[in-house]
Amino acid sequence: DAKTTQPTSMDCAEGRAANLPCNHSTISGNEYVYWYRQIHSQGPQYIIHGLKNNETNEMASLIITEDRKSSTLILPHATLRDTAVYYCIVGGTSYGKLTFGQGTILTVHP
Amino acid sequence: EAQVTQNPRYLITVTGKKLTVTCSQNMNHEYMSWYRQDPGLGLRQIYYSMNVEVTDKGDVPEGYKVSRKEKRNFPLILESPSPNQTSLYFCASSSPGQNYGYTFGSGTRLTVV
Repeated sequence: DAKTTQPTSMDCAEGRAANLPCNHSTISGNEYVYWYRQIHSQGPQYIIHGLKNNETNEMASLIITEDRKSSTLILPHATLRDTAVYYCIVGGTSYGKLTFGQGTILTVHP
Repeated sequence: EAQVTQNPRYLITVTGKKLTVTCSQNMNHEYMSWYRQDPGLGLRQIYYSMNVEVTDKGDVPEGYKVSRKEKRNFPLILESPSPNQTSLYFCASSSPGQNYGYTFGSGTRLTVV
């Protein structure tokens, strides 16, 4: 599975958009980009995933560059409850082997 | 409610005493996986299973065993626990092509003394 690079930490003001970047320059053609988040020591929570096209759901939007070497997770109106560690993962459709990196600690401030 | 259930939530045990952490899912998922989480090391995959009787090693399988005799259950077995297996463990399940990725359990905090 391709490796990912994320900033260690980011801050965001409540109500503003949080844009979390991820680099995955070695992603292969059939690998998806997944985003999860983990609040405190709870089990990670799935957010969104995509292959080539931009994706949006009720939680977030995922923007993937045309060359697929990087992506951005967008939380459109961050709240204090969005404070968490956000993981960007790349992997195949088999869902078998998902390798988590260190993630980005997002802190949303009042 | 669709969920992944792990038991126990907390466990303190002694070195060398065999233990099993159970994991059960009620979503008829084919894929199941075990992770451990340690400070500074993040989430690391121990074992995963693509279906009944099909298991494979993840990144840190040493000292662990798994079995997948039924679709819904994926127990994690520590035959002879050691203090370096003190960790927070997560079980997760998923199905191919589903749109919500892996569903994780609430975690099992294991302490080996």
